[in-house]
Parts: sequence; structure tokens; C-alpha cells
Amino acid sequence: AQSVTQLDSHVSVSEGTPVLLRCNYSSSYSPSLFWYVQHPNKGLQLLLKYTSAATLVKGINGFEAEFKKSETSFHLTKPSAHMSDAAEYFCVVSDLDYGGSQGNLIFGKGTKLSVKP
Amino acid sequence: DGGITQSPKYLFRKEGQNVTLSCEQNLNHDAMYWYRQDPGQGLRLIYYSQIVNDFQKGDIAEGYSVSREKKESFPLTVTSAQKNPTAFYLCASSISQSSGNTIYFGEGSWLTVV
Repeated sequence: AQSVTQLDSHVSVSEGTPVLLRCNYSSSYSPSLFWYVQHPNKGLQLLLKYTSAATLVKGINGFEAEFKKSETSFHLTKPSAHMSDAAEYFCVVSDLDYGGSQGNLIFGKGTKLSVKP
Repeated sequence: DGGITQSPKYLFRKEGQNVTLSCEQNLNHDAMYWYRQDPGQGLRLIYYSQIVNDFQKGDIAEGYSVSREKKESFPLTVTSAQKNPTAFYLCASSISQSSGNTIYFGEGSWLTVV
């Protein structure tokens, strides 16, 4: 079955330190992968997207993610956390070969990022 | 500016009432979606539509209904049959349902049963 697993429900870092939000997936040979950010009481905003081009994807606000097919991972990173990065982050897989009731978008459960001053 | 507009932002419903959440997009997207988000949980798909006058049930369609009479509009009705409707509702759209198409979200609507 298709799935997305965000390995941490909550991550806490200090301002200025690196951020790592982990995502593993199971999917077909060539899925598309996304990271979204959600601030409180807001919609989801696209951070970055992978669609079988370069495996290292750069997004907005200094975030980037690396697609590792051998590890079926798409972890989100940022070298230096800022207070404004505190939010919830969702990993999403889009898989044309998956015809379940979700259409073909599979959402992770989310990781809440806290940033300490 | 192009985008997805949801209204109202906050809505209160009495027991036994039907309420309708509006979603309008001017992105010329074919596909539209409704998700429900409960505190501390991910998104669950209620309904989606790939084209005008056609829609499919998602994982949690019971107690909800939708229509897609126009490309730009995809309203969601929360009926009295939905026993636990208090949640944050997100509307979204994409160019199509095919793999690789980015999905864009509205700002969401809070529904509370009083």
C-alpha cells in the first residue's frame, strides 16, 4: 500500500541550529514529492517539489530536500533555523499509479517544528 | 491576484443544521479538493473533483456533500448527518489530478458546532 511516514511528530531546535524533518514513503517507481508548511490557522503553503529532475531540491525560505530512492526518503533540511520557521510541516506524495480514495495524493501526519530563542 | 478563496473563515453551526462552505478559485484549475484537518492530525480527503459536473468520494465523505457546477467553484455542505463536524476545512486545487501537479490550498475555514 502507498504510504507516507513522517518519523517525528514534534521537533524542537534552537534558533540558528540546523533543521532536519524526516519523511519516508512507499510508492511506485517515479512519484512526485512535496513539502508544505502550515502556520497556525492558515492553509498549506508549498515549500518545494521533486518531480524526477535533480535529486536535491531547493525551496523557499532556505529549505531544501533530497530525494533518495534507495532509502525511499525525502527529508527536509535547513542549515539555520529562524523563529519564523516554527510551524507544522507536511510531506506529500503524488503517485499516478495509486488509484485509492485519496485520488493520488498521500499526506503524512505532519511534524510540528518548534524554534527556541 | 490568482488564488483560492474560502469563506467564511469562521462558522458556527447548531445541532441539526446544514451549513455550506464556499470555495472559489481563479487559477483555471481543473481539479478541486476538500480536506478536513483535526487538531494534531494530518489532512483527510472528503471529496475531490477532476472536472465540472463530476466528483468522487474521498476517505471520509459520509455526512458531506459537494457540487461542481462551475469550474471555479466547489462548495462543501456539511449536513446534519455529520456527527462530529467541528474541524478546520481546507479547499485546494490543482491543474489536473496527474502525478506531479502541484496542489494549492486556500486559507481554510473553521467550523464549530454550538
